[in-house]
This record gives sequence, structure tokens and C-alpha cells, in this order.
Amino acid sequence: QQPVQSPQAVILREGEDAVINCSSSKALYSVHWYRQKHGEAPVFLMILLKGGEQKGHEKISASFNEKKQQSSLYLTASQLSYSGTYFCGTDTGNQFYFGTGTSLTVIP
Amino acid sequence: AAGVIQSPRHLIKEKRETATLKCYPIPRHDTVYWYQQGPGQDPQFLISFYEKMQSDKGSIPDRFSAQQFSDYHSELNMSSLELGDSALYFCASSQLRRREKLFFGSGTQLSVL
Repeated sequence: QQPVQSPQAVILREGEDAVINCSSSKALYSVHWYRQKHGEAPVFLMILLKGGEQKGHEKISASFNEKKQQSSLYLTASQLSYSGTYFCGTDTGNQFYFGTGTSLTVIP
Repeated sequence: AAGVIQSPRHLIKEKRETATLKCYPIPRHDTVYWYQQGPGQDPQFLISFYEKMQSDKGSIPDRFSAQQFSDYHSELNMSSLELGDSALYFCASSQLRRREKLFFGSGTQLSVL
């Protein structure tokens, strides 16, 4: 039931772009994206409701394909502050599961 | 604005002891979740409550139990603690039926010695 993310880890130089994918085997009502720094609680980035919408938050945006039960997170012109572990979260109705996580490291 | 409150922030126990973690969700949130996150691991779902009733169970060991009380606070009870139970335990709350985001507490760092 846990959604699978890819890649597992990625290293970027400042200013580069990245895409993180999230795939679920269940039908979804919504997909959430969170970023977590070591030892801290996950921080909400955005939520996408079914309907194939795309959302943006500064230089971070995401898309949700409900037919494929997939979501992608797009990070453009990455900054050092983007480093952390990114988790998608899938809402299947009354259940919510975090994805397997993607460790993103931005280096100068 | 009120946030999700967890207590204690840190807890040190010895093997075979018991521990109780508390979570106070945001007022009017209908769903509470508990997650366990080991070092370098992704958060693992333990259990959730919707309107004070258990709604879903994840990878929660039989040694653990949880409940949600009439005032909506929730407690995670852990018995016969093992070294492998050392982890960061997060509580989150949301208005799931309105498809809103999860609000997380700061977590309880449990160390079992």
C-alpha cells in the first residue's frame, strides 16, 4: 500500500532541476508532498486533488495523474535550502501513507 | 494558531519497560495518525483514528496499543520495549474528510537503552 518513489536519492548542484516521482497501486483522492529535514517533522509543500491538476509553490510545482495513480514533483533552479528528504503522501479515502522517500542534496 | 502538541519531547527507557506518548491534535481535526521513523528511514504508519474510532492499522507491533479519548487527545502505549523501538514518533492530525493536509507535531524521540 505504500507508494513508491523514484529516484531514491539525487544530488544536484545549485541551480539545477530535479523531478521526483510517486506511484501508487491504489486509487487516490489526493496526493500530498512533504519535505523533511533530519530530526524534524515533515513540512507540507502542497496537496493535489484528483482532477489532473498541477500546482506551483515558488520554484516547486507538482502534477497528479489520477488515472495512472502517479504524481511528480518538479524542483527548478534548486537552492541549498531544498536539501532534505521528500515524501509523497497518498490519500486513498480513509487511509494515508507516506512514500518511500527521496533524499535530495543540493551542493554549491 | 494552535498546532499539534506531542509530549514528551524526549524519552529514555530501558529494555522491557513501558512508555506512553501523548498527542493533542488541532481542535476540530477529525483524524489522528501515528508514525514511527527510525534513523535514516521513512515514516512508517502505525495507526490512525477517525472521530475517536480506530480507522486503520499499519505496521504496529502487538506490544503497542493506542487510543483516542473523548477530548480527542491520543496516547500511544508501548510495552516490553526493545532496542529496535528507538525512533522518532510523530503524531499528525488533519480534517481528512475535507482532504486537507496533515499537521505534524514536533515528535517524541524515544531512546531504548
